[in-house]
Amino acid sequence: DQQVKQNSPSLSVQEGRISILNCDYTNSMFDYFLWYKKYPAEGPTFLISISSIKDKNEDGRFTVFLNKSAKHLSLHIVPSQPGDSAVYFCAAQAFNDYKLSFGAGTTVTVRA
Amino acid sequence: NAGVTQTPKFRILKIGQSMTLQCTQDMNHNYMYWYRQDPGMGLKLIYYSVGAGITDKGEVPNGYNVSRSTTEDFPLRLELAAPSQTSVYFCASSPGVPGEQFFGPGTRLTVL
Repeated sequence: DQQVKQNSPSLSVQEGRISILNCDYTNSMFDYFLWYKKYPAEGPTFLISISSIKDKNEDGRFTVFLNKSAKHLSLHIVPSQPGDSAVYFCAAQAFNDYKLSFGAGTTVTVRA
Repeated sequence: NAGVTQTPKFRILKIGQSMTLQCTQDMNHNYMYWYRQDPGMGLKLIYYSVGAGITDKGEVPNGYNVSRSTTEDFPLRLELAAPSQTSVYFCASSPGVPGEQFFGPGTRLTVL
């Protein structure tokens, strides 16, 4: 049972424009959410996170928005750069739980 | 700091063979994890450990075993390899909960 869903397997965006990645979850116990970025033949690297007590968190070009009532979060990348081309995974964690539940990933391609 | 290291990077096994995937972290993290990633899927948790001597099953533990004798090392053992275990395996560690997990570069395993 997939508790974290990324319904768009791929996204193509022009350099300089905004990339918006979406993620939905079903488990109401999740209260901490993370985005990871993964290049081919490498492990995932942490990008940004958000706690359920917030609805927005920014870090440079990356902003994550959380809508708890809709069980939805999104990652905005502005402006998109060629080095942003990668697979992005959404992950969620319940309070005091060690485990992360991952979505299937969205492959972002930034076109020059 | 090397972070999380995994060996080997690649391995081909025959059905029924056994092997151990090595994972070491130098960040003194208590929590360690093993994931597998199949094509087009998110990461699925195999086993995790909250400290030396303590391990527990994740979502997909069948066919695998782990041990945690030191804080640094968390090897994953495959007994009687099967084609269904063809995957990319990632080891990760974290300092606490909630919070980001730090991933190794992965081991690509093929069982023929």
